[in-house]
Amino acid sequence: EADIYQTPRYLVIGTGKKITLECSQTMGHDKMYWYQQDPGMELHLIHYSYGVNSTEKGDLSSESTVSRIRTEHFPLTLESARPSHTSQYLCASSEGSGGETQYFGPGTRLLVL
Amino acid sequence: AQSVTQLDSQVPVFEEAPVELRCNYSSSVSVYLFWYVQYPNQGLQLLLKYLSGSTLVESINGFEAEFNKSQTSFHLRKPSVHISDTAEYFCAVSGRGQGGKLIFGQGTELSVKP
Repeated sequence: EADIYQTPRYLVIGTGKKITLECSQTMGHDKMYWYQQDPGMELHLIHYSYGVNSTEKGDLSSESTVSRIRTEHFPLTLESARPSHTSQYLCASSEGSGGETQYFGPGTRLLVL
Repeated sequence: AQSVTQLDSQVPVFEEAPVELRCNYSSSVSVYLFWYVQYPNQGLQLLLKYLSGSTLVESINGFEAEFNKSQTSFHLRKPSVHISDTAEYFCAVSGRGQGGKLIFGQGTELSVKP
């Protein structure tokens, strides 16, 4: 059983607010990922990290930022939320050099009014 | 670069009927292939994957997928579905030597009816 947690599960917030979506894993994985998923659409990679103090932008441009100060923690921050940020955000982690399984958290559903 | 196309956005099927969810990919390098399943209000879980060797891979709950290099396909099949198989299924590809990043298809919603 994979142990990767995301909080909050649901968030409704007004435009202009700063938000942080939390993601933690207890498996000691070096690699962590953030995906954005709109209803009925594919997941798009927006950020990834291959270890502490290493972060990269993914294939889909995002106004969010991430940090990786500890192996187990990979928070995503939006400095000023907008309605266009409304989506589901999924965090994942993995270990390996290719072909490894990614383990996903339950996701955070964000609604920006 | 890689891309994945899932040819059916929705597949309704009756319980105990066979099902096939289609997936085609394109890539300029060799790939690893995956099927993930997402049950309502949950994150994704790995269903099965192809890394190398036998082109037919199986999951513990009766699904199987076959890697067809010439047709660049990785279709998912099950000979007899259950109500509990109702979920969203995502095909994904990862390029070899590219750090494990996944490119996902659009997903196929499998709806099993009694």
